[in-house]
Amino acid sequence: EVQLVESGGVVVQPGGSLRLSCAASGFTFDDHTMHWVRQAPGKALEWVSLISWDALDTYYADSVKGRFTISRDNSKNSLYLQMNSLRTEDTALYYCAKPPGDGYDWPLDYWGQGTLVTVSS
Amino acid sequence: DIQMTQSPSTLSASVGDRVTITCRASQSISSWLAWYQQKPGKAPKLLIYKASSLESGVPLRFSGSGSGTEFTLTISSLQPDDFATYYCQQYNSYSWTFGQGTKVEIK
Repeated sequence: EVQLVESGGVVVQPGGSLRLSCAASGFTFDDHTMHWVRQAPGKALEWVSLISWDALDTYYADSVKGRFTISRDNSKNSLYLQMNSLRTEDTALYYCAKPPGDGYDWPLDYWGQGTLVTVSS
Repeated sequence: DIQMTQSPSTLSASVGDRVTITCRASQSISSWLAWYQQKPGKAPKLLIYKASSLESGVPLRFSGSGSGTEFTLTISSLQPDDFATYYCQQYNSYSWTFGQGTKVEIK
């Protein structure tokens, strides 16, 4: 059974940093591109970032470019999101999600349950 | 970035109704469009990919159509379990985007 379990969400002050983790199981992790998607309270889904299976390619939404860094450790079946210079508008539930395969022309067929990041003074 | 616009934002319908949700892209995305269903407190669930392909396990009352810039999600006969929020998503470019969502409510 595919499982994606996010962790690391806490309350942090504006300007602070945070690292989210996603533990993957039930599939061959290094066969898949991986994504982060977020959802502010009561708002729509917003794609955040993706990383290729080999970590050689990464892409970001304009809203987080230069502040967030996606990474992965295939030996640990884990995905990460380093979040710096946090803003109040980064407050959201952050989901880890996978497509059916490698590459970028796939939708997201499995999602974690999310980890909540609150940016507030 | 490619913008995705869904309509309507809210839809009130009754069990058994045929429901159609529209999603428009700001530029052509070929057929690289997915539809998701999200219920309160839950992660999104993939329903349709590549505009019209039904994800495994999704009931046949769900269907998708369109290409280029205009797409639709149709529920042929609305069931109690279908009251939820639906999102379209384009995955044509390296900056993916979602629509703003359509909430399907009980009439």
